Amino acid sequence: AQSVTQPDIHITVSEGASLELRCNYSYGATPYLFWYVQSPGQGLQLLLKYFSGDTLVQGIKGFEAEFKRSQSSFNLRKPSVHWSDAAEYFCAVGGSSNTGKLIFGQGTTLQVKP
Amino acid sequence: DAGVTQSPTHLIKTRGQQVTLRCSPKSGHDTVSWYQQALGQGPQFIFQYYEEEERQRGNFPDRFSGHQFPNYSSELNVNALLLGDSALYLCASSLFTGMETQYFGPGTRLLVL
Repeated sequence: AQSVTQPDIHITVSEGASLELRCNYSYGATPYLFWYVQSPGQGLQLLLKYFSGDTLVQGIKGFEAEFKRSQSSFNLRKPSVHWSDAAEYFCAVGGSSNTGKLIFGQGTTLQVKP
Repeated sequence: DAGVTQSPTHLIKTRGQQVTLRCSPKSGHDTVSWYQQALGQGPQFIFQYYEEEERQRGNFPDRFSGHQFPNYSSELNVNALLLGDSALYLCASSLFTGMETQYFGPGTRLLVL
């Protein structure tokens, strides 16, 4: 079955601290992986994506993610968190076997302490 | 360049009623996908439209239907509304060339009483 698991429902970090949000996926074909961010009451904004090539991808707002096929993971990282990063983060998977259909995780809510 | 737009932003309906939500894709995009996001959950894929036809469908009942117009805009219709249909409905647009990146609109918040 195709699925995405985000093990951490809620994470709190101090401003300036580093961040890692976990994402594990189950997908039979070559996965295309995405991270989206959602501010309260808003739609989803694309942070970064992995289709192929370099397994470390850079995104907007200083975020990066690393694809590890052996671990079926695509964790999101940021070296220094800003208060404005407080939001909900969603990992999603798609692929050639399900053209256009994204499967999302449940999301991780990030709270940033001053 | 306008991004994906959706209307209305909020909607309140009662059980049994019907609702129509609208979406205009990002300029240059020809494919529209619809998702339902219940409170505290990730978005769930409803269906995707390309060339005015439904190309893929998620695990949603026939009460959920859609349409795509020649200008690529799209409508989502839900009949016989249930309390459980209360959610944020998100529209995403993309190019139909495989697994292209989907760009999301701000959503329509539907409340069914």
